[in-house]
Amino acid sequence: DTGVSQDPRHKITKRGQNVTFRCDPISEHNRLYWYRQTLGQGPEFLTYFQNEAQLEKSRLLSDRFSAERPKGSFSTLEIQRTEQGDSAMYLCASTNYAYAGISGLQRGNEQFFGPGTRLTVL
Amino acid sequence: AQTVTQSQPEMSVQEAETVTLSCTYDTSENNYYLFWYKQPPSRQMILVIRQEAYKQQNATENRFSVNFQKAAKSFSLKISDSQLGDTAMYFCAFMKHVGAGNMLTFGGGTRLMVKP
Repeated sequence: DTGVSQDPRHKITKRGQNVTFRCDPISEHNRLYWYRQTLGQGPEFLTYFQNEAQLEKSRLLSDRFSAERPKGSFSTLEIQRTEQGDSAMYLCASTNYAYAGISGLQRGNEQFFGPGTRLTVL
Repeated sequence: AQTVTQSQPEMSVQEAETVTLSCTYDTSENNYYLFWYKQPPSRQMILVIRQEAYKQQNATENRFSVNFQKAAKSFSLKISDSQLGDTAMYFCAFMKHVGAGNMLTFGGGTRLMVKP
């Protein structure tokens, strides 16, 4: 167990429904990432937060997707009007990031992953 | 943009033997991190080993070691004395050393089966 939890572990929904997933990172971690992993593929970056600020979103994150991290602790990922193409494993990861200036990344290069939420859209 | 390629979708090895998983990447960055992550069946992804590009010495972690060839942009993982618990998907991943985000770019994975 890495210390990162996700809920639910599995979600089956019908096309057009909205779904929300939750990620609880390791408590002292200031960065939280969301990735999507389709069957037989490697994870792909979706978005990330530093504390409560969402700093980057990939082009994979369509307008139907929204993520929040309201108090800089847990995060939610919502998908509206789900489509069959949204079926995937949604992974959350966290890290305790600190930048050491010109010498580069001081810590936070190891991301700790949760077990994922497997979404099936029928 | 960075790309990571794992050319071996599946591999198998006998218990106690040695196996090498391949990874190549493409980047214009000079400083970066490379990782191997392990994803056991129905379990969480965990870090196996990491390499900082500016370090010439290859990283080792117990039975796991890497062969990092910066000029060739190659980063292979060697597993010695393979154990049944090594059965998993293995992902090679890239991270910029400096810059916003520090998100991981993953390869497509190699499924490793260790046979008794």
